[in-house]
Amino acid sequence: GAVVSQHPSWVICKSGTSVKIECRSLDFQATTMFWYRQFPKQSLMLMATSNEGSKATYEQGVEKDKFLINHASLTLSTLTVTSAHPEDSSFYICSAREGLADTDTQYFGPGTRLTVL
Amino acid sequence: GQNIDQPTEMTATEGAIVQINCTYQTSGFNGLFWYQQHAGEAPTFLSYNVLDGLEEKGRFSSFLSRSKGYSYLLLKELQMKDSASYLCAVMDSNYQLIWGAGTKLIIKP
Repeated sequence: GAVVSQHPSWVICKSGTSVKIECRSLDFQATTMFWYRQFPKQSLMLMATSNEGSKATYEQGVEKDKFLINHASLTLSTLTVTSAHPEDSSFYICSAREGLADTDTQYFGPGTRLTVL
Repeated sequence: GQNIDQPTEMTATEGAIVQINCTYQTSGFNGLFWYQQHAGEAPTFLSYNVLDGLEEKGRFSSFLSRSKGYSYLLLKELQMKDSASYLCAVMDSNYQLIWGAGTKLIIKP
């Protein structure tokens, strides 16, 4: 089946630094990738949708200058948390979709746990 | 390797009961999640089980047996709006989520 990987699995950083998280589709080409935040035992909050070769679409309330998304190829999207602060500590999950239709299957990554000290 | 198995698609009738099974093999276990996802929307959290047994929450119940590596999501009094994909995910010993491919549930009148 389709596999999505994320790197790193977990990261601890100091407040004010930037952290980059990678999301890769390993055996398929993902036209669309999604970035989510998950708080403990809560629903996944969609942060942004990125289509290969174009700018990401951010959900309301998500600062695009703080959460930089780059979808440079059909198998890689990156999320950079700039000037991270403790409130940015969370579990970040990406998903990848091969097609453009909402009904196409999303495949989820294992998540990246970010802790900002 | 780690894997989660759940049926690809299920069909049920409005007003009926449906059980969606999920079996898993993971390195360690730190809980099992069920999510509902409507097409084009973010997954919505339904349940989290870390201990064996049945947890009921309104029309939805989730069961876990850690010794069998098995869980199910039970939906009662099905409504048309329950048509969605249901995702099973297990958190392993590294606190990483291992996802099932999702079960597409089709509700017919």
